[in-house]
Amino acid sequence: ELKVEQNPLFLSMQEGKNYTIYCNYSTTSDRLYWYRQDPGKSLESLFVLLSNGAVKQEGRLMASLDTKARLSTLHITAAVHDLSATYFCAVDYHNYGGSQGNLIFGKGTKLSVKP
Amino acid sequence: EAGVAQSPRYKIIEKRQSVAFWCNPISGHATLYWYQQILGQGPKLLIQFQNNGVVDDSQLPKDRFSAERLKGVDSTLKIQPAKLEDSAVYLCASSSKSVWRATEAFFGQGTRLTVV
Repeated sequence: ELKVEQNPLFLSMQEGKNYTIYCNYSTTSDRLYWYRQDPGKSLESLFVLLSNGAVKQEGRLMASLDTKARLSTLHITAAVHDLSATYFCAVDYHNYGGSQGNLIFGKGTKLSVKP
Repeated sequence: EAGVAQSPRYKIIEKRQSVAFWCNPISGHATLYWYQQILGQGPKLLIQFQNNGVVDDSQLPKDRFSAERLKGVDSTLKIQPAKLEDSAVYLCASSSKSVWRATEAFFGQGTRLTVV
């Protein structure tokens, strides 16, 4: 069974600071997704990482994937209040010997950026 | 491009009652997912369809939950009878993946179910 673990689960940071959210997963996968969820809202796709060494950047967020270490990171640079949300990673999981793929989510990291 | 549509947005029912949720995926998306998101947790996959066929329902509590996607487009998820622990947001998502690999999934607004 695939396990997806995020840490930290809660993160309070000040504006202007940098921080990294980690996503570890327990079985082989070379596709990983990051989503953002605002309170009471649905999930918004942020990044799609499709191969080992993939790096994607959008504004103050940068995501990377190391499939050998089974680790993805979401790095926040010079945080601003608008980044406050819950961030989820999701891993493409091949069930039944690799015949199908579906998305298994971590528990999420609740980020609060304070002035 | 229209997104994933879900209805209703909110539903309050008493335990042991039944409830149904509806989802219309993005046009052309062959894969449809139903997820359950309990407050403070990540979404948990309930069932995955490829066109009108089920490809994964291993985490669907089949004694009370059922889902269908008869024409390979819209889908309904039903709970009968509901329990208190079914209180959650039910998210529908769709993707344009092939049979073999998951691709980026797009989520609807969700249905917030409260069982009292």
